[in-house]
Amino acid sequence: DSGVTQTPKHLITATGQRVTLRCSPRSGDLSVYWYQQSLDQGLQFLIQYYNGEERAKGNILERFSAQQFPDLHSELNLSSLELGDSALYFCASSAGGTGSEQFFGPGTRLTVL
Amino acid sequence: ELKVEQNPLFLSMQEGKNYTIYCNYSTTSDRLYWYRQDPGKSLESLFVLLSNGAVKQEGRLMASLDTKARLSTLHITAAVHDLSATYFCAVGDRDDKIIFGKGTRLHILP
Repeated sequence: DSGVTQTPKHLITATGQRVTLRCSPRSGDLSVYWYQQSLDQGLQFLIQYYNGEERAKGNILERFSAQQFPDLHSELNLSSLELGDSALYFCASSAGGTGSEQFFGPGTRLTVL
Repeated sequence: ELKVEQNPLFLSMQEGKNYTIYCNYSTTSDRLYWYRQDPGKSLESLFVLLSNGAVKQEGRLMASLDTKARLSTLHITAAVHDLSATYFCAVGDRDDKIIFGKGTRLHILP
């Protein structure tokens, strides 16, 4: 158990809908990262937050947004969902600085029908 | 744009043998990560390599980094079945984005 929690574990929804994925980092970790894993695209870095501020942005679609709250938990919002958004979404956390070891949560499996 | 290439993508090997997984990347970086993923599971951090010549070992796994050659290796010594998994390398770019390789699926035969 990495200490990173993600909810929900599974999510099934329809095209065009909007969902919110939630992540609680390990106690004391200031950075949160979001990743998408699919068979087509492999593992893709989406976005990183550090202590509430956006730190780095990867291949995150405009339909997706994220934020990190004062209590350091993070949410990833996915809207206008398409079939191709079906994937595993992982959150990871680290103590902070560049090069810190990242600890991954169990993931949320999103299925868009 | 940073690109990360792993090879081989699939490796089937006998228990007791040694082998190496290679991770090449295309632009300068000072951060390289190795992860393990078991089927249906999340990623487990194995190593973080931050400087040229860095070498880290954990059990039968040893990782090294040559920033001049833009190459990292993950060496497996005397493989055992429990090491069967997919191994990913990932590299941090200058904008703090993290780019993953496609992964090496390792199957160790008893």
